[in-house]
Amino acid sequence: GQNIDQPTEMTATEGAIVQINCTYQTSGFNGLFWYQQHAGEAPTFLSYNVLDGLEEKGRFSSFLSRSKGYSYLLLKELQMKDSASYLCAPMDSNYQLIWGAGTKLIIKP
Amino acid sequence: IAGITQAPTSQILAAGRRMTLRCTQDMRHNAMYWYRQDLGLGLRLIHYSNTAGTTGKGEVPDGYSVSRANTDDFPLTLASAVPSQTSVYFCASSPVAGEQNEQFFGPGTRLTVL
Repeated sequence: GQNIDQPTEMTATEGAIVQINCTYQTSGFNGLFWYQQHAGEAPTFLSYNVLDGLEEKGRFSSFLSRSKGYSYLLLKELQMKDSASYLCAPMDSNYQLIWGAGTKLIIKP
Repeated sequence: IAGITQAPTSQILAAGRRMTLRCTQDMRHNAMYWYRQDLGLGLRLIHYSNTAGTTGKGEVPDGYSVSRANTDDFPLTLASAVPSQTSVYFCASSPVAGEQNEQFFGPGTRLTVL
């Protein structure tokens, strides 16, 4: 079956760094997406990885290891506006996104 | 219109009633999707359409139907609503089906079935 595992909730301090992990099992693999979702809003695209390694985009970076079925999202210099849920979504062999339940990130001053 | 719009924003519906959730995009995207999002669960795909005139079933299609008469519109119909269909419904689109491109989401419809 297909399965996505990511922590339910994490807490971090403003200005700090946080790493959100995601492990996955899918039928085939066509890359992995990370989305951000603020409470009561729609998900918005953050990053996409299809090859192993680290992709950096400003304060956000995303890492992928296909052999381990593992990805993480790294958020640096945390700001209060980063308080949101972060959704891990690998794409399967049918090019369908398989969504994790999301990690709720709470930022404290 | 810019991006994807959904209507209504929220709705309270009596069980057994018929309801159509509307979704319109102006990005000329070929692929469109309907998801439901429930607390503690990931987004679950209800139905999808790879291009105008075609539709397919997702993970949780029972009780829902869709149509794709043109590129822009992708309505979702609940023929006879039940309380378990209480959820937040998101419509999404992507430029091309079957490729590794991101999905763009509408603002969602919050539906309560009593």
